[in-house]
Amino acid sequence: NAGVTQTPKFRVLKTGQSMTLLCAQDMNHEYMYWYRQDPGMGLRLIHYSVGEGTTAKGEVPDGYNVSRLKKQNFLLGLESAAPSQTSVYFCASSYSSAPLNNEQFFGPGTRLTVL
Amino acid sequence: AQKITQTQPGMFVQEKEAVTLDCTYDTSDPSYGLFWYKQPSSGEMIFLIYQGSYDQQNATEGRYSLNFQKARKSANLVISASQLGDSAMYFCAMRDRMDSNYQLIWGAGTKLIIKP
Repeated sequence: NAGVTQTPKFRVLKTGQSMTLLCAQDMNHEYMYWYRQDPGMGLRLIHYSVGEGTTAKGEVPDGYNVSRLKKQNFLLGLESAAPSQTSVYFCASSYSSAPLNNEQFFGPGTRLTVL
Repeated sequence: AQKITQTQPGMFVQEKEAVTLDCTYDTSDPSYGLFWYKQPSSGEMIFLIYQGSYDQQNATEGRYSLNFQKARKSANLVISASQLGDSAMYFCAMRDRMDSNYQLIWGAGTKLIIKP
């Protein structure tokens, strides 16, 4: 039982390049999330999905796209990377968001640097 | 609007002492849940403890307990008998029903350093 895994762990991009971050979970969770974490700030939600084939915008969606073609996978894409997207990206999953006490399980994070 | 505030950017505590990490929240929903997560230097987010707004007792999990003061809208994390391995970032988060998909709202975190 691997839980939530993220690929890659580290990446350096040049401005304008594109890339896709892959998140996979083996807990049969319905809900999946992409967050970014910047110094001095809490986690900010980029996009999330409440089930296979569905996605929704979070707090900071601009510059990112997502897809959830399979229940276990949630992809985060950067079409044209910018230095402002330098951050640590976390994927998380949960069985659902209701009841209120459902915790989110996190992947190990991806450290992305955009030069 | 929902909001989580952690007023302590950083704390130094002597090993074996108890430590309290502050968290205040704001919501108009009477039904909500509060979470604490730990993020060690290795980077992973680890769930520690949960408190529901209607729970009759303060939550406890081993050395972690939550000092929940509903009227003050505070949910402070208490770590008893601190250990060197407790050095980490600690995040408070809240979920209520105001958001249609019950998303977690996160505080900025407190960096805790345990001194030997």
